[in-house]
Amino acid sequence: EVQLVESGGGLVKPGGSLRLSCAASGFTFSSYSMNWVRQAPGKGLEWVSSISSSSSYIYYADSVKGRFTISRDNAKNSLYLQMNSLRAEDTAVYYCARDSSSRLYNWFDPWGQGTLVTVSS
Amino acid sequence: AIRMTQSPSSLSASTGDRVTITCRASQGISSYLAWYQQKPGKAPKLLIYAASTLQSGVPSRFSGSGSGTDFTLTISCLQSEDFATYYCQQYYSYPQYTFGQGTKLEIK
Repeated sequence: EVQLVESGGGLVKPGGSLRLSCAASGFTFSSYSMNWVRQAPGKGLEWVSSISSSSSYIYYADSVKGRFTISRDNAKNSLYLQMNSLRAEDTAVYYCARDSSSRLYNWFDPWGQGTLVTVSS
Repeated sequence: AIRMTQSPSSLSASTGDRVTITCRASQGISSYLAWYQQKPGKAPKLLIYAASTLQSGVPSRFSGSGSGTDFTLTISCLQSEDFATYYCQQYYSYPQYTFGQGTKLEIK
């Protein structure tokens, strides 16, 4: 069974840092690009960042560029999101999601269950 | 960035009804559109990709259509488990993925 399990969320003060992890299983992790998507409380979905299968290509939404860093460890089947200089507006459930295939033009499937990040003093 | 606009933002319907949700892109995206269903406290679940292809395991009462800028998601005969929030997503402008704001489908 293909599975993604996020961890690392929690309460952090404005300006603080947090590192999210996503453990993948049930598929060849090193063959797929991976993504982080977030959802603020009561709001819609926002793409945050993507990383290609070999980490050669990395992309960020403008809202997090310069503050967040996406990375992966294919040997550990794990995806990461290092979040620095956190702001109240970064409060959200963070989902990791796999590209649907190893080709271009992919939707997201599957998604992890999400991990909640709360930025508050 | 390509803007995705869904309508309506919320919708009340009864079990057995046929409902349609619309998603409009700010520029042409060919058929690079997906639909997701999200229930409270859960992750989004893929329903449809490539605008009209039903994901394996998704009931046939769900269907999608459209290309270019205008797309629809139709649920032909609402079941109790279909009451949820639905999102469209364009994946044409990789990697600047964008989602619609969501349509909340509620029980009348």
